[in-house]
Parts: sequence; C-alpha cells; structure tokens
Amino acid sequence: DAGITQSPRHKVTETGTPVTLRCHQTENHRYMYWYRQDPGHGLRLIHYSYGVKDTDKGEVSDGYSVSRSKTEDFLLTLESATSSQTSVYFCAISDRNTGELFFGEGSRLTVL
Amino acid sequence: EDQVTQSPEALRLQEGESSSLNCSYTVSGLRGLFWYRQDPGKGPEFLFTLYSAGEEKEKERLKATLTKKESFLHITAPKPEDSATYLCAVSGTSYDKVIFGPGTSLSVIP
Repeated sequence: DAGITQSPRHKVTETGTPVTLRCHQTENHRYMYWYRQDPGHGLRLIHYSYGVKDTDKGEVSDGYSVSRSKTEDFLLTLESATSSQTSVYFCAISDRNTGELFFGEGSRLTVL
Repeated sequence: EDQVTQSPEALRLQEGESSSLNCSYTVSGLRGLFWYRQDPGKGPEFLFTLYSAGEEKEKERLKATLTKKESFLHITAPKPEDSATYLCAVSGTSYDKVIFGPGTSLSVIP
C-alpha cells in the first residue's frame, strides 16, 4: 500500500468555522492532489501540488486553499465551511511516469 | 472540455454472469485512460492504464479495452468479491489533471 494517511478521517463542524484536512505521504512523491467525491459527480479535483510551495487550482477550487511546506505534507483548508462542502475528501499522490494515482482512505466532512 | 461518462450507473449480476461496463470519454490528446476499483469507505485502487486505441489489459476476471471514444471493462464469471464501484478516468496532454467519471456500482449476487 502507498504510504498515504489522511487526518482527521471523520469531522463534523458548523457552518462558518475553519477546517483543515491533512495529507501525509511517506513515498517522497512530488505531485499531490486533493479530490472531493459526491454522489452523481464522481471525483473532482480541488487543488494539486507539484512541489514544495508550488500549487495550482483544479476544477472545484472555490472556497478552498492549500499549502505545502514540506514534500510529505499537503494541507487543504476551508476558511469558512459551508454545507455545500459536506463531502468525502481524498488525497492522492501520482506516479508521473504512468499517471497512476494512489489514494488515501478519505476524510468524511459534514458541515451542519 | 474533457468529459467522462459511465454506464450503467448500477449493475446487478448473478455470480458467474459475465457483463461489460462502459466508459465514454472526450479529451484533447489522450495520454492515458485509467480504471479504478473503489470499495465502500475506501479510496480508489488502481486497476489498469490504457494508452492507445486497440490496447487491452487483463487482470484475473477483468479485461479492459480501449477505442478512440470509449473503453470497456469486461467482467468474466464474476464472484461476489468483485462487488465494488468501478471508476474510469482520463488524462489529456498532462497527468496534472485527471478527470473521473461518476462510476458504475457493481453488485454480484451469490
């Protein structure tokens, strides 16, 4: 198994509160990704990183920010959570030679 | 705009009853088409990558094929442990942005 851990695995919060999800990898991969998964939409890319302090937006980046201060950690922040951000969030790393993605176990976020 | 659709949305099979899942895609300059398996409460797990039309790959009871517009995941004599959601994804000219389809939920009944 790819060494990817996400925390927290489950979180319930209230509208307007800040939330940070953490992704930690032990594989030393340069590329890391945050996806959200919702019924009927599949996996949608939020942000990705191609190195320390290098990030770019994905398909659904509004309301989210990311940071990568170390190769192994990629943080996803919801500055002011909304109910539409209730979802399951997946972190992934990439084998750039093949395009294969390795996913974490997911973080289930509920915004009340 | 790159797009991936999958059909059917859900499929229920008897054990041993072979079938196929469809993935239709629109992408500028296909670099790779991917199949993943996802079990409930887990992250997707990689199955196959196909790079060009005509390519086929097999793994146990699964066989993936690719044309210029679609891919099929053929399941031969499925077993209950094959029950999962199967996701199709494509990348265009770069692996930076992989686009996923909504998935097909497969249930195999003993």
